[in-house]
Amino acid sequence: NAGVTQTPKFRILKIGQSMTLQCTQDMNHNYMYWYRQDPGMGLKLIYYSVGAGITDKGEVPNGYNVSRSTTEDFPLRLELAAPSQTSVYFCASSDPWDRGRYEQYFGPGTRLTVT
Amino acid sequence: AQKVTQAQTEISVVEKEDVTLDCVYETRDTTYYLFWYKQPPSGELVFLIRRNSFDEQNEISGRYSWNFQKSTSSFNFTITASQVVDSAVYFCALSEAGGNNDMRFGAGTRLTVKP
Repeated sequence: NAGVTQTPKFRILKIGQSMTLQCTQDMNHNYMYWYRQDPGMGLKLIYYSVGAGITDKGEVPNGYNVSRSTTEDFPLRLELAAPSQTSVYFCASSDPWDRGRYEQYFGPGTRLTVT
Repeated sequence: AQKVTQAQTEISVVEKEDVTLDCVYETRDTTYYLFWYKQPPSGELVFLIRRNSFDEQNEISGRYSWNFQKSTSSFNFTITASQVVDSAVYFCALSEAGGNNDMRFGAGTRLTVKP
């Protein structure tokens, strides 16, 4: 299993541009998440999904959108990028119904710079 | 509301010293899960341990041990005989069973182990 994969690894955007961060997992997990990690800080939840077709906002959703059309994929869309969105973005998945494995498995991250 | 506090921003030790990383949490749920993740300089997030709120047994895994005390809402992490490879940022996280399995992370503790 590849686990959770994210593309791209790095990206530089200009202010006002848009982009989609891709996230795919091959563990058949129902739950997926997007976090951002600002320098020297912990992770903050942007959006999450508990299954295909179901998404909800986390702690810091402004400026982002998500969709979940399949179990495997959970893309994060940035519209009108702003310097405040410069961060490292992590995608994660979990399946708490799998023998109580509440831990989340993280992708390698996408480092995004908006200038 | 759930909250995780890691009061130690940075710790520096010399190799072979023991070191304890503190984690204090807040939650209103009676069933919850606590986690420790390691983020080495390469940036990925590595799952270390999960502890359920109804299991207060301490755990030891090699040089790592965890002390869970509900009475003080703490879940501390000790590394015995530290090594340079232990240098990383360590995050404590909390997930409430009544929620959507989303995690609230502490701000992290940066551990530097010097040779």
